Amino acid sequence: DAGVIQSPRHEVTEMGQEVTLRCKPISGHDYLFWYRQTMMRGLELLIYFNNNVPIDDSGMPEDRFSAKMPNASFSTLKIQPSEPRDSAVYFCASSLEAEAFFGQGTRLTVV
Amino acid sequence: KNEVEQSPQNLTAQEGEFITINCSYSVGISALHWLQQHPGGGIVSLFMLSSGKKKHGRLIATINIQEKHSSLHITASHPRDSAVYICAVNYGGSQGNLIFGKGTKLSVKP
Repeated sequence: DAGVIQSPRHEVTEMGQEVTLRCKPISGHDYLFWYRQTMMRGLELLIYFNNNVPIDDSGMPEDRFSAKMPNASFSTLKIQPSEPRDSAVYFCASSLEAEAFFGQGTRLTVV
Repeated sequence: KNEVEQSPQNLTAQEGEFITINCSYSVGISALHWLQQHPGGGIVSLFMLSSGKKKHGRLIATINIQEKHSSLHITASHPRDSAVYICAVNYGGSQGNLIFGKGTKLSVKP
């Protein structure tokens, strides 16, 4: 398996634009997590899914953020409209038995 | 409040030295993870443990449930061990989510 695949690896966008981050989890994993990493706050959970169902989205900062998992092999994290303070590295991770496997991350810069 | 505290924040060592990174947490957990983040940004899971001790190569992780404390040891450190080491815990009975420490930045000099 190629591991958790995230795209794009880098994204630069203007404030106010919509941004969509994509994740393909490891096949067979039933948990999928979206994390955000900033210098100030470190790594934080945004939302996680179990069997494609959102379980806990309490970490989603505000209504501008939304996440979907339409099937077991794909998830998206959308920010609309984007703001400069959303600039961060966004990680997707998947797991089967509690050990999490991380994607390479998407570095988002909102100017 | 669920907190994960790591120490030290930064650590510089000479090649070959024995290294210890510490992690403390505030309430009962179901599992503790040690992660490694290289300068390129990728995150790799090193260990997941809920009791006792695990060893993989030159890396050893221990956990003391009563004291709510875990340590990550690196024997015979090497410059390629230079990375940020992050402690994370699962609270509760399910996989739930991970609560992360701030990380320990390790630099091993040749």
